Amino acid sequence: GAVVSQHPSWVICKSGTSVKIECRSLDFQATTMFWYRQFPKQSLMLMATSNEGSKATYEQGVEKDKFLINHASLTLSTLTVTSAHPEDSSFYICSASGEAEAFFGQGTRLTVV
Amino acid sequence: AQSVSQHNHHVILSEAASLELGCNYSYGGTVNLFWYVQYPGQHLQLLLKYFSGDPLVKGIKGFEAEFIKSKFSFNLRKPSVQWSDTAEYFCAVSLGNTGGFKTIFGAGTRLFVKA
Repeated sequence: GAVVSQHPSWVICKSGTSVKIECRSLDFQATTMFWYRQFPKQSLMLMATSNEGSKATYEQGVEKDKFLINHASLTLSTLTVTSAHPEDSSFYICSASGEAEAFFGQGTRLTVV
Repeated sequence: AQSVSQHNHHVILSEAASLELGCNYSYGGTVNLFWYVQYPGQHLQLLLKYFSGDPLVKGIKGFEAEFIKSKFSFNLRKPSVQWSDTAEYFCAVSLGNTGGFKTIFGAGTRLFVKA
């Protein structure tokens, strides 16, 4: 299957700082990418849909000013957690849409201290 | 709104027991169906998927799932579980290509297999 790479795999940051997470489709172009969040012992919750060259569409309850999404090219989408706080600590996962299905990255574990 | 419902949040089985995890979805359009497994501390792994054709799908590690369109169900089965199957299992529905293959996940079923 197609490969989706997330970077970094894990990150620890201080409260109040911003963190950028990258999601790349390595061997295919993805017009659409999705960002998910998984709290401990919970399921993956869709945060936003990212379309190349346009503004992201956020799910209800997700703060667009806090979770900035940029999809500048067909192979890269970035999620920036701005002014991170401990409650933002979570596992963030992206997926990229191929021709017939979406492929998932391996996730980024964010810990805010 | 689209949703995915997994019937059991926790399942405890002894080794060699048979497993069936229920999954129902609500969406009237074209869907692709998936089961993912997440071992403790690890990322998601795809167990199997259904797009079309034979509604009985075989996946990795001896798992299979059956799509019953009339019941909007996609139950996961394994004839004989092993201790190493202890993990969390997520049923997922990917909406058709008009939705960019947006994937909706069920709440997950945590399986514990006793040795």
